[in-house]
Formats: sequence, structure tokens, C-alpha cells
Amino acid sequence: AQSVSQHNHHVILSEAASLELGCNYSYGGTVNLFWYVQYPGQHLQLLLKYFSGDPLVKGIKGFEAEFIKSKFSFNLRKPSVQWSDTAEYFCAVKRNQGGKLIFGQGTELSVKP
Amino acid sequence: DAGVTQSPTHLIKTRGQQVTLRCSPISGHKSVSWYQQVLGQGPQFIFQYYEKEERGRGNFPDRFSARQFPNYSSELNVNALLLGDSALYLCASSLSVSFSGDTEAFFGQGTRLTVV
Repeated sequence: AQSVSQHNHHVILSEAASLELGCNYSYGGTVNLFWYVQYPGQHLQLLLKYFSGDPLVKGIKGFEAEFIKSKFSFNLRKPSVQWSDTAEYFCAVKRNQGGKLIFGQGTELSVKP
Repeated sequence: DAGVTQSPTHLIKTRGQQVTLRCSPISGHKSVSWYQQVLGQGPQFIFQYYEKEERGRGNFPDRFSARQFPNYSSELNVNALLLGDSALYLCASSLSVSFSGDTEAFFGQGTRLTVV
């Protein structure tokens, strides 16, 4: 079935550790790719997006993601996490004009101070 | 500027009842989408409306319906509520529905629906 898969359900890191959250999708053709973050008690916010061009995308708060078309992947990275990065992270894919966002199941990130 | 606003924030309903959830998009945004987020899962697409017309429908039963008004606000209706309908219902707005940068979706805080 066509889907978006996030590799880790729950990740626990200490402050200053490096972060990489995996995301794979199973759709062929052109896609738009997104990472959203949901801080406790807050709404979903866009971290970064990829539409075309440079496959290395930089977002807010020091996050970046790399689109690797051959691997159908869009992994999220941050060199040094902070306690305030504790949140749930969702990868999402859009396949066509006006199309729906298809979300992964989410990865809960807990950062220990 | 106000973001996407949803009302009510919380709602408790009994099985078999009907519920209406409301969404006001960001000013200037003409597209509204609805998502259901069950605890522990990512949001699932329910509907998308653009210029008052339905542009997409997810895999949800006919008990779910929606509409968009001339001011681009939207309502999601769910009839004959089941326990499994308990979830966070999210509304997202975007400028348009084209496959380009201006289709970034902005989400509201959601309505937490509990069916008992």
C-alpha cells in the first residue's frame, strides 16, 4: 500500500546530541515533502518543505532535511538538539495538485536536559 | 494576523448523536482541509474544499460531510457518532490548491471530540 513511514516511534536524546529522524514514502512521480512539528499543547507547525531544486532543505530552528529521490527518503536532521525540541514530529507527502497531505505516524522526541 | 481558528476546542458527545465542527481559515486563504488525528497516529485526510467546491475526499464513511461557505469558512459534520470517532479534528487552510509553494497548509489547534 502507498504510505509514509517514519522509522522511530519514540526517540530519547540528551541535550546537544545530534538528531536524525527517518521518513520514507512509497509514491512514484513528483511529490512535495514536509516536516511538521507539534509541541505539547500546540498546533501543527511547518518545520520545512521541499518542492523542487536543492534537495537539502533548511527550515526553522536549525532543522534541515535531505530529499534522496532514489531512496524515496526525506530524513530530518539537527546537529545539536535542545530541551525545547521536545515534541512530536510528522513527515508528510503531497502527490499532486490540490492533493491531500499524507502523514506518517509521527515520532515523539524527548530531549533530556 | 489571526491563524486558523477552530471551534469548539473540546466537545463531548454521546454515541448516535451528531456534531458540527467549525473552522475559519487565515484571511485570504481559499482552501480548507479537514483531518482526523487519532491518539498515537498521524493526521488522516477527510476532506478538502476550494472555492466552496469539494476537491478531495478521504476514506471516511458517508456519516462525515463538510461544506465551505462564501467567506471560505468551513463546517465538518459527523452523524451517528461512534466511539471510534473520538479524535482530534484538525482544520488546515492554504492559499490555493496548485502544486507549488503557495499550497503550504497552516493548521488550527483542533477540536478534541470525545464520544461516550
